[in-house]
Amino acid sequence: GIQVEQSPPDLILQEGANSTLRCNFSDSVNNLQWFHQNPWGQLINLFYIPSGTKQNGRLSATTVATERYSLLYISSSQTTDSGVYFCAVRMNYGGATNKLIFGTGTLLAVQP
Amino acid sequence: DAGVTQSPTHLIKTRGQQVTLRCSPKSGHDTVSWYQQALGQGPQFIFQYYEEEERQRGNFPDRFSGHQFPNYSSELNVNALLLGDSALYLCASSWNRAYEQYFGPGTRLTVT
Repeated sequence: GIQVEQSPPDLILQEGANSTLRCNFSDSVNNLQWFHQNPWGQLINLFYIPSGTKQNGRLSATTVATERYSLLYISSSQTTDSGVYFCAVRMNYGGATNKLIFGTGTLLAVQP
Repeated sequence: DAGVTQSPTHLIKTRGQQVTLRCSPKSGHDTVSWYQQALGQGPQFIFQYYEEEERQRGNFPDRFSGHQFPNYSSELNVNALLLGDSALYLCASSWNRAYEQYFGPGTRLTVT
């Protein structure tokens, strides 16, 4: 099956710093989503980005589907950015499918 | 606009018992997917419901079953609970089996 790997697995930042999180996937995908899981377990949608670049405030994401990777950029980090970041992909099956396969996650801690 | 809701928030059960978890999708969505997230891991796909039928299933035993109602809400049932079923159970909704998925806050199940 498809492998979805994220790096780095852990990251500690000082407030105000910038960071780049990476998601590599081993097969072609239809779609890709980035999520932030807060300490209470809620998965918060960040980006729905099968290809190209999107920006939302201090966050931006780029997916290069032909090279099978996606990047999440966090600028001017804040303590509220702490948590686990997941990328999740939807496979390129012949029929309709909406199964998401999650990556290994990046645990981010932003210190004041 | 109400997001995805789940109930109950927390649940404690004994081995061998049965449990039912509930999910109401985001307004305008007709597809519900269920995921299991064990501690320290990413969510794993259980199954997806669309038009009141199970459309896709992950690698979970028959002890896991579900239902979707005409109003698109859904239930996840787990029979003969095992200690290993202790996890965060997440419900996600989307439109027409495709496109962006939105997650509820989850139900944390503890099996003792």
